[in-house]
Amino acid sequence: GENVEQHPSTLSVQEGDSAVIKCTYSDSASNYFPWYKQELGKGPQLIIDIRSNVGEKKDQRIAVTLNKTAKHFSLHITETQPEDSAVYFCAASSGDTGNQFYFGTGTSLTVIP
Amino acid sequence: GAVVSQHPSRVICKSGTSVKIECRSLDFQATTMFWYRQFPKQSLMLMATSNEGSKATYEQGVEKDKFLINHASLTLSTLTVTSAHPEDSSFYICSASLAGVGTQYFGPGTRLLVL
Repeated sequence: GENVEQHPSTLSVQEGDSAVIKCTYSDSASNYFPWYKQELGKGPQLIIDIRSNVGEKKDQRIAVTLNKTAKHFSLHITETQPEDSAVYFCAASSGDTGNQFYFGTGTSLTVIP
Repeated sequence: GAVVSQHPSRVICKSGTSVKIECRSLDFQATTMFWYRQFPKQSLMLMATSNEGSKATYEQGVEKDKFLINHASLTLSTLTVTSAHPEDSSFYICSASLAGVGTQYFGPGTRLLVL
């Protein structure tokens, strides 16, 4: 089965700096990679996703890159703000409706004002 | 769009009672819904996958007679924790999969405390 690893487990950055979270996956059949942000006591919120037919996707201050050959993908947050503080989860899936998501272990991001 | 609600958001019950949690996709039809359990500072643990009109598929180690799942319509799935015990206390989260897209949208979660 699929195995997703996520690093680092905790990350502290100064406000305005960039944050990078990295994930690796093992199953070459995975072709859909979403990222979720989870605030304390709330459900995960989809912030960006990427499919295997593209290498990079951006949405304002957030970007995701994918290297299919190396089987890794990364979340990049630029110009971080205190409200970016949360736990971030990566996931991998075959992308079909109803297919299981395999989640990373999460990264607790703290943005220091 | 793609909003998922859960009810209740928080429930406290006595040991031995049953608790039902509802998960609704508010603005889309979800052919598949998922139920997760999350312990503090841990990742999401998939409990079961629920398809509308059919029996749920449970992950290994999850007791289907204890965690009853019903997916009666394309917008509603329910999880019933039967004869709850303190070890069932946890954060339960559902998600709904948008047909043809594969993305999962999560509900806000339900905090269950069994005394």
